[in-house]
Amino acid sequence: RKEVEQDPGPFNVPEGATVAFNCTYSNSASQSFFWYRQDCRKEPKLLMSVYSSGNEDGRFTAQLNRASQYISLLIRDSKLSDSATYLCVVTAEGDYKLSFGAGTTVTVRA
Amino acid sequence: ETGVTQSPTHLIKTRGQQVTLRCSSQSGHNTVSWYQQALGQGPQFIFQYYREEENGRGNFPPRFSGLQFPNYSSELNVNALELDDSALYLCASSSDRLGEKLFFGSGTQLSVL
Repeated sequence: RKEVEQDPGPFNVPEGATVAFNCTYSNSASQSFFWYRQDCRKEPKLLMSVYSSGNEDGRFTAQLNRASQYISLLIRDSKLSDSATYLCVVTAEGDYKLSFGAGTTVTVRA
Repeated sequence: ETGVTQSPTHLIKTRGQQVTLRCSSQSGHNTVSWYQQALGQGPQFIFQYYREEENGRGNFPPRFSGLQFPNYSSELNVNALELDDSALYLCASSSDRLGEKLFFGSGTQLSVL
């Protein structure tokens, strides 16, 4: 079983729509959670950290469910510029490596 | 711009050859990690260097090796290249060895023919 699994998509949505997707992780000792954004074959960039209480950053909302071991990302009022691959990332306490999912591709159309 | 630079940006090699990829970390960062990203996959951890010592290693064979220099720049060496080594190689720096917020370079796209 992979450490981090994501629905690959693609999610094709019109501008202004809301899109949401999940990621599951297998290691119950995972302590830190992130969403990274990656544009086509460019470097991943940190989008946001995910906190236990859930958190928002503008149009982006992240949620963590430790009991079911999943993380979600919701994008409201989608923009064309939101088109990218979203990588779910987890790490265990004291661990030096990040475990990445394979990514969820989102395409926002005009 | 993260301040992490990698060279070269693209490279073509043939099977069996050796390759060296280079990375300059962001100013003030003493930790460098290397990741391999195959097409359609997420980045996979290769190893991490902290203050010139290998600090941890992922599930990669010994033909993947690295170095970190006193200025915290780093090299990734791959010997006896295989076709499956074709991937985007990403270097990331952080301010400490447990740094969770990594700053990635733009990567080296390696093609093995």
